Amino acid sequence: NAGVTQTPKFQVLKTGQSMTLQCAQDMNHEYMSWYRQDPGMGLRLIHYSVGAGITDQGEVPNGYNVSRSTTEDFPLRLLSAAPSQTSVYFCASSPGDRENPGANVLTFGAGSRLTVL
Amino acid sequence: DAKTTQPNSMESNEEEPVHLPCNHSTISGTDYIHWYRQLPSQGPEYVIHGLTSNVNNRMASLAIAEDRKSSTLILHRATLRDAAVYYCILRDEGVEGSARQLTFGSGTQLTVLP
Repeated sequence: NAGVTQTPKFQVLKTGQSMTLQCAQDMNHEYMSWYRQDPGMGLRLIHYSVGAGITDQGEVPNGYNVSRSTTEDFPLRLLSAAPSQTSVYFCASSPGDRENPGANVLTFGAGSRLTVL
Repeated sequence: DAKTTQPNSMESNEEEPVHLPCNHSTISGTDYIHWYRQLPSQGPEYVIHGLTSNVNNRMASLAIAEDRKSSTLILHRATLRDAAVYYCILRDEGVEGSARQLTFGSGTQLTVLP
């Protein structure tokens, strides 16, 4: 049981390049989300999904796309990287809302550190 | 979304209890109170959660005010490994089909002094 796995752990991009941050969970969790954390700051929600085929925007969605074709995977795509997207990205998952939603606990990945030059 | 307010930083001596406060005056009746912590260079990890009653687990205790407008995370004996940023968040259930966002503030940076 690996939990939430994020790849890559580190990535350097040039401005304008695109890339995908991968997130996979093996706990059959319905809810998945992406956060970014800038230095000295808390976590800000980018996008989230309450189940396969369903995604929605969080607090800071601009410049990012997501899709949820399977329960296990929730990739985050940077369409045209900008220096402002330099950050640490965290993926998280939790059981679905049908199972005592307010009590559901988030499991986080180890993070992906992205630098955009 | 209901929001939380925490002090930016706190200090504690090793092996002494630590009380980390959180205010959530706009909490709704169905919001659970969750605490997470983030060790340096790691992802956040779950600590404890509760609804109305005080809760205990192997990591900490959670004391919830009777009016639920505030809560306190209690670490009974702080160790150097407890130095982390502690986040108090509310699990917003929303209504069926609507947004279910989990908002993290800046948290409290706990420093444990040897």
